[in-house]
Amino acid sequence: GQNIDQPTEMTATEGAIVQINCTYQTSGFNGLFWYQQHAGEAPTFLSYNVLDGLEEKGRFSSFLSRSKGYSYLLLKELQMKDSASYLCAVRGRWNQGGKLIFGQGTELSVKP
Amino acid sequence: GAVVSQHPSRVICKSGTSVKIECRSLDFQATTMFWYRQFPKQSLMLMATSNEGSKATYEQGVEKDKFLINHASLTLSTLTVTSAHPEDSSFYICSARGGPGEDSSTDTQYFGPGTRLTVL
Repeated sequence: GQNIDQPTEMTATEGAIVQINCTYQTSGFNGLFWYQQHAGEAPTFLSYNVLDGLEEKGRFSSFLSRSKGYSYLLLKELQMKDSASYLCAVRGRWNQGGKLIFGQGTELSVKP
Repeated sequence: GAVVSQHPSRVICKSGTSVKIECRSLDFQATTMFWYRQFPKQSLMLMATSNEGSKATYEQGVEKDKFLINHASLTLSTLTVTSAHPEDSSFYICSARGGPGEDSSTDTQYFGPGTRLTVL
């Protein structure tokens, strides 16, 4: 089966660092994605990991451990505009359509 | 990044009518397009996968006769909600993906801006 878990809600302070965790158990693995979604809008791509390790992209970093079925998204120097839902998604094998399976999302609130 | 457009952005219709939503990839050829629906405060649920020129593959529990998907070209897919009912009211989002290496080394799915459907 497919199971992707992330915390439902998190709160952090402007200027701080926050880590959003994601654990997954899927029948196939072909990469893990993080998306940001503001209310009423479509998700926007943040990061992609397919190999173990850390990918850094400005204020955002994402980490993957395939053996542990674990990823996290790290947001530094938080800004008010970072308040949004953060979606972890695992892509399945290409021969199964390469579909993205999404977690339920983590609603992040950044407070002054 | 690649751009995906969706039209209309918002639609209100009466129960029993049909609604067509268009999804276009503007600057790349999308060999595969995906249709999702999202209820408030919930995550995206994949409805179907469509490949250009072939029939869509529907996820379990999604009625293919109710949600008609056509992927007629490499830049356009349409979703038609037939005989819409109030429970079909939702946020419908499409995403597009090129072939391996088509748009980026990550073969990322790029999402359209979504269509808010309200059925009265």
